[in-house]
Amino acid sequence: DTAVSQTPKYLVTQMGNDKSIKCEQNLGHDTMYWYKQDSKKFLKIMFSYNNKELIINETVPNRFSPKSPDKAHLNLHINSLELGDSAVYFCASSQDDISGYNEQFFGPGTRLTVL
Amino acid sequence: RKEVEQDPGPFNVPEGATVAFNCTYSNSASQSFFWYRQDCRKEPKLLMSVYSSGNEDGRFTAQLNRASQYISLLIRDSKLSDSATYLCVVYRPITGGGNKLTFGTGTQLKVEL
Repeated sequence: DTAVSQTPKYLVTQMGNDKSIKCEQNLGHDTMYWYKQDSKKFLKIMFSYNNKELIINETVPNRFSPKSPDKAHLNLHINSLELGDSAVYFCASSQDDISGYNEQFFGPGTRLTVL
Repeated sequence: RKEVEQDPGPFNVPEGATVAFNCTYSNSASQSFFWYRQDCRKEPKLLMSVYSSGNEDGRFTAQLNRASQYISLLIRDSKLSDSATYLCVVYRPITGGGNKLTFGTGTQLKVEL
């Protein structure tokens, strides 16, 4: 009964490959997010979706393409992986983000290592 | 200059000590303020919101000074279980619609016997 789940937990892959990370929330929230935490532990938002609609795209390379098939899912596909993509990727969700702050709940993270 | 700045630490303190963390933010449009806690190799979790009037939750006290754009967190009677990274977080609207959380790089706390 995990609130925000991500798969896989660990992902090790070669440079140039294409990979996907999946995220699901069972909280009934309207808004979902992807964050990247780099080796210096700096956590930064990449994307947010509200009811399947893209709200925030924080100048992320277009090799990263989020997809929200429904409001409970937000997947992240990464093309042509580079060494600098190695990081921990966190998915999060919150109730409607349009009207103001609602607590964001984070998934356990996906540790991506690009070799 | 980073939008949210914190001393990265680590702060090594004995059990029972009182420890204070500070944070400054640069964007005056920031609306809401929080402290999150992140344990090693885990996801961040909300510790507490921060209000101008100051607010307390057990051993934790948070304070906001909007004029100085400064946020603080005080932990009294530190426990071993308080060892973690404490993230200062601000929430503000962004151009084009939507709102976002901006995280500081975190301050690492180690509580020792």
